[in-house]
Amino acid sequence: KAGVTQTPRYLIKTRGQQVTLSCSPISGHRSVSWYQQTPGQGLQFLFEYFSETQRNKGNFPGRFSGRQFSNSRSEMNVSTLELGDSALYLCASSRPRTGKNTGELFFGEGSRLTVL
Amino acid sequence: GESVGLHLPTLSVQEGDNSIINCAYSNSASDYFIWYKQESGKGPQFIIDIRSNMDKRQGQRVTVLLNKTVKHLSLQIAATQPGDSAVYFCADRYSGAGSYQLTFGKGTKLSVIP
Repeated sequence: KAGVTQTPRYLIKTRGQQVTLSCSPISGHRSVSWYQQTPGQGLQFLFEYFSETQRNKGNFPGRFSGRQFSNSRSEMNVSTLELGDSALYLCASSRPRTGKNTGELFFGEGSRLTVL
Repeated sequence: GESVGLHLPTLSVQEGDNSIINCAYSNSASDYFIWYKQESGKGPQFIIDIRSNMDKRQGQRVTVLLNKTVKHLSLQIAATQPGDSAVYFCADRYSGAGSYQLTFGKGTKLSVIP
């Protein structure tokens, strides 16, 4: 069974540009979450999608947005990039929390964004 | 907001010894806790989780202990191996919020000395 797939793995952008990151969840997983990881702030929650609806959103500016498609694939977009947006962006998927399933998150390898 | 923190940022252990990584959480409503391992250049990998109705759970060479009274979580790794070298994160969640959102600690770097 394939894991969570994120593309691109690495990218370099300049300030003011925008970027779109893609995430394909594990087959059968309908919940997709995004996290930003930086050395200073650690792992911080960006947003969570379920059945094409944003279920929860972290404390990030409006420049950060996302969406989920009917096949559960998700994208996140960052507009007007700033130097501080340089980070590893992680996507995670989860099965529904039913019965014994605790809804643990399975992470992809991440997309490493460098903003120059 | 609520946060999960770690007592020790780095931990060095001799190969074959047992490792203990500690974590404190602040949200008394959290009812689910999880440990992840992250190797360099990779995404976090699930190690073990525990619900708040338990105080101990064992996996293969790993044990998680939960003390809700003092809001403390620990990960014990038995017979630590070089392959265990990584950054370990604890995280918590309040399931009643209807979200899968996890609040992560800053991480502890475990270095295994051969």
